[in-house]
Parts: sequence; structure tokens; C-alpha cells
Amino acid sequence: AQKITQTQPGMFVQEKEAVTLDCTYDTSDPSYGLFWYKQPSSGEMIFLIYQGSYDQQNATEGRYSLNFQKARKSANLVISASQLGDSAMYFCAIEGEKLTFGTGTRLTIIP
Amino acid sequence: SQTIHQWPATLVQPVGSPLSLECTVEGTSNPNLYWYRQAAGRGLQLLFYSVGIGQISSEVPQNLSASRPQDRQFILSSKKLLLSDSGFYLCAWSVFPGETQYFGPGTRLLVL
Repeated sequence: AQKITQTQPGMFVQEKEAVTLDCTYDTSDPSYGLFWYKQPSSGEMIFLIYQGSYDQQNATEGRYSLNFQKARKSANLVISASQLGDSAMYFCAIEGEKLTFGTGTRLTIIP
Repeated sequence: SQTIHQWPATLVQPVGSPLSLECTVEGTSNPNLYWYRQAAGRGLQLLFYSVGIGQISSEVPQNLSASRPQDRQFILSSKKLLLSDSGFYLCAWSVFPGETQYFGPGTRLLVL
């Protein structure tokens, strides 16, 4: 069975600074994928970025990048130049037969 | 492009009343469909998923049920709601199992 751990229940970051959201995982599958989703106050889950376990390079999507360290079983999300609109809950998830989600990190960007 | 709709957006229901939440997907065929529940301040709990019409897998035994009467329609139901059914219900779809899931806007359910 897969497991996702997000150890930061909440974070406060100054606008325009970079922020790293932690995610560690556990799986026995040789091949897997890792996802990050953003959930603003409206509730909708917005897909941000995906990293496959065999991808050679860390995934990047605009201001989002995934710091994937396979040996440490971590897949941290890095948001560069944070904006007020980045304030939201962020969930890490791992692919298996189904997606297994972490408990999330609430990010608040301070003006 | 693909879009996913859920309704109603919010719902307040008394304990013991029935429930029907609807989810529809546009712009794709034979999607994999999912129902999740999110309690306040918590992560997502997978309730049901479907890989095709009439094919429903239940992840958590409870008083909820799901049906897929059409390819792109997924319905979450209950005959008698419990207080513990309150939460935020999200529908999602993916092309294949285990791939990126795309979520609908959700339904906030409050059972009183």
C-alpha cells in the first residue's frame, strides 16, 4: 500500500519569496508517479505538476518545480516568486491503482 | 477540451433524507470516474471509482452508493443521510487508472 506524508500543516511565506512544501512517500511499486494539487478556498482541486519515478529530470511547470529525490523518497514542491494567489491548501499524491493523498499543507502568502 | 461538472454546488439536508449528487464529464469518452469526500480540514478519501458503465468499485463501506448510468455520468446516492455524511464531495476523472485526475468544482453537503 502507498503512503504519503506531509509534515507541514501550515506555512506562512512573504510574497515574492520561494517556498518549499515537503512530501515524503512510501511504496513498494517499482514504477509510480507523484502529483501535486492546489485547493484554493473555492474547494476545487487543481492539478499542478506530475513526476514519474523513472523521469530523469525533475518536473517543471512555470513557477512550480518538483524536487524529486528518489533515494530519500521525497517529492517536494517548490514555488518560485510566490504570489498572493498561491495561498491555498496543497496536496501531494502518489499513483497506484488509485491516487493516495497526503493530509495537505495550508500555505499563506503574506503581502 | 474536457470539462467536469457537479451539482448541486451546495446542499443542506436533514438527517434521514435521501441524497443524489451528479457528476458529468464532457469532451472525452470512457473516462475513469471517481467520488471523493473531504471532511473539513482533512485530506481526500476515495469513496467509489468506475472504469466503465455499470462498473463500480467501493473503497469504503458505508451508507452511500454510486451508479454510472451513462458513460460520462456518475451519481452518488444515499437512501438515508447521517450527520457524518457532511463534507465536501469531489468528482474526478482520468483517462486511465492511476493517471492524472481532474476534479470538478465539488458539492458542499451539510446534514443537520
